[in-house]
Amino acid sequence: AQSVTQPDIHITVSEGASLELRCNYSYGATPYLFWYVQSPGQGLQLLLKYFSGDTLVQGIKGFEAEFKRSQSSFNLRKPSVHWSDAAEYFCAVGAYEKLTFGQGTILTVHP
Amino acid sequence: GAVVSQHPSRVICKSGTSVKIECRSLDFQATTMFWYRQFPKQSLMLMATSNEGSKATYEQGVEKDKFLINHASLTLSTLTVTSAHPEDSSFYICSVLPGQGKETQYFGPGTRLLVL
Repeated sequence: AQSVTQPDIHITVSEGASLELRCNYSYGATPYLFWYVQSPGQGLQLLLKYFSGDTLVQGIKGFEAEFKRSQSSFNLRKPSVHWSDAAEYFCAVGAYEKLTFGQGTILTVHP
Repeated sequence: GAVVSQHPSRVICKSGTSVKIECRSLDFQATTMFWYRQFPKQSLMLMATSNEGSKATYEQGVEKDKFLINHASLTLSTLTVTSAHPEDSSFYICSVLPGQGKETQYFGPGTRLLVL
């Protein structure tokens, strides 16, 4: 069965600092990997996705993620965080339609 | 990305009543839609997969007679919570899958249900 682990429940960073959110997955084949962001009381917005090819993928809002097969990881990064990035971030793995989500990481940004 | 709407955004109802939530795909036809449930401070849990013109596929542990899903057109799926109880209070989110072979789901803004 597929599963996703986001080890960090809550991360706090200062505005302008770099950010890395961790995601580890378990999947029997080559996974499709996603990062979504959710603001309070809102649905999910797709940040980026990996299907194949270049293991470093670029997304919206200056985010990027790197797929590392050997580590079963798909960590999300941003070089300089803005206050508007405060939200909850979900990593998801899926194939042929069914998505499995991690528990989410809440990001707090201090001015 | 795709644009997905949900209605209502928030609903409060009395215990024992039924509530219908609509999910609309605004800019493309979706043969497949998904319904998720999210409890406070928890992740999304897939409830069911809604296929246009056929019966929905429910995940294990989800009561199909309680959570009725209808996908009557390529742009509309509805979730009806029948005989709602306080434990059904949750955030319900739909997503759509645009077309065959496409793997990216696009999510609606969610519906907050509170059952008193």
